[in-house]
Amino acid sequence: GAVVSQHPSRVICKSGTSVKIECRSLDFQATTMFWYRQFPKQSLMLMATSNEGSKATYEQGVEKDKFLINHASLTLSTLTVTSAHPEDSSFYICSARDSSGSADTQYFGPGTRLTVL
Amino acid sequence: KQEVTQIPAALSVPEGENLVLNCSFTDSAIYNLQWFRQDPGKGLTSLLLIQSSQREQTSGRLNASLDKSSGRSTLYIAASQPGDSATYLCAVRPSAGGTSYGKLTFGQGTILTVHP
Repeated sequence: GAVVSQHPSRVICKSGTSVKIECRSLDFQATTMFWYRQFPKQSLMLMATSNEGSKATYEQGVEKDKFLINHASLTLSTLTVTSAHPEDSSFYICSARDSSGSADTQYFGPGTRLTVL
Repeated sequence: KQEVTQIPAALSVPEGENLVLNCSFTDSAIYNLQWFRQDPGKGLTSLLLIQSSQREQTSGRLNASLDKSSGRSTLYIAASQPGDSATYLCAVRPSAGGTSYGKLTFGQGTILTVHP
């Protein structure tokens, strides 16, 4: 199946710094990528939809100035957590949509564990 | 707004048992339903994907069924093994069109423990 990578897999940062997370589709082009966050023992909550070449669409309650998304190419979307605080500590997972074949499928990355001290 | 519920929240069984995980959704206008497995601290592994026109999908010891009209799906695991221990998530994708197209709504998951 298709592969989606995320980098870094784990990051620890100080409060007030910004952290960038990359999501790459390795063997297909993804015009659409999605960013989710997952708190401990909870399910995935969609944060935003990232569209190549246009602005991201954020879900209700998600601060777009806090979570900056850039989808600069068909294989890369980045999520930047700006001025991170301890409450931003979470597991961030991206998915990439492969609509090239007959089956329109999303593939998930392995996730990034963010810890803000 | 689509809501997805999974029952039970947690399940502990001895090795070898057959078991059923349940998923229900409130809006039957779906494109597909997908079952995932998540190991602690890891990402998602897709297990089975059922298109809205399908009734079931099978992969090895796993069988997933879909009853779109009643808003239900079940994941059947045969002859469970300790290696099956994980959190199982179901997610639904809405039908084409509208601002929700492509977005998955996840259930809270069922934490499965299979003990030797």
